[in-house]
Amino acid sequence: DAKTTQPTSMDCAEGRAANLPCNHSTISGNEYVYWYRQIHSQGPQYIIHGLKNNETNEMASLIITEDRKSSTLILPHATLRDTAVYYCIVRVANTGNQFYFGTGTSLTVIP
Amino acid sequence: SQTIHQWPATLVQPVGSPLSLECTVEGTSNPNLYWYRQAAGRGLQLLFYSVGIGQISSEVPQNLSASRPQDRQFILSSKKLLLSDSGFYLCAWSTGTGSSPLHFGNGTRLTVT
Repeated sequence: DAKTTQPTSMDCAEGRAANLPCNHSTISGNEYVYWYRQIHSQGPQYIIHGLKNNETNEMASLIITEDRKSSTLILPHATLRDTAVYYCIVRVANTGNQFYFGTGTSLTVIP
Repeated sequence: SQTIHQWPATLVQPVGSPLSLECTVEGTSNPNLYWYRQAAGRGLQLLFYSVGIGQISSEVPQNLSASRPQDRQFILSSKKLLLSDSGFYLCAWSTGTGSSPLHFGNGTRLTVT
């Protein structure tokens, strides 16, 4: 039931910004965009989420286009420890609505 | 702060044996609880979720069941394991309010032999 499209894989040089795109062209007005990442053999880690406005926290920034049909997760200074699979999820903020994960983007940070 | 515990971390079980995986959450009340499974090299599949004690919703019919005997305890079970039950099992919780995100445990890697 994933409603998002992400590239299968990406590379990023260590110390540079990693920009991970996500397409959610069928997003509805009350659906939030969530980002998670999963390092091998660990549980997914919540990164950030937003509805309309751009968001920033200690881990990353989330840029949502004005039409909300796509978003970009930005890791400002990628490190080797950022190598992981990154998942973009859209979901209506309601207790009855679940989080459905797609296959994500495998990001490799290169030294 | 809230924490989620899952055990065991790894498990090897023969085909036909029973299974019981346990998950507990601390530091919150009446959480929504979830079981996901991840097959090797695949994405996460939602198996069960619960919005309260004794309330279980199944997403995919299969050889597994879930129970929630206490507010912050979620158990995944099987009476007879199949080879196809092998995978990485993840428990997660959310407050269920507003846009609150999911928070995952560290998972159990199950190998059925």
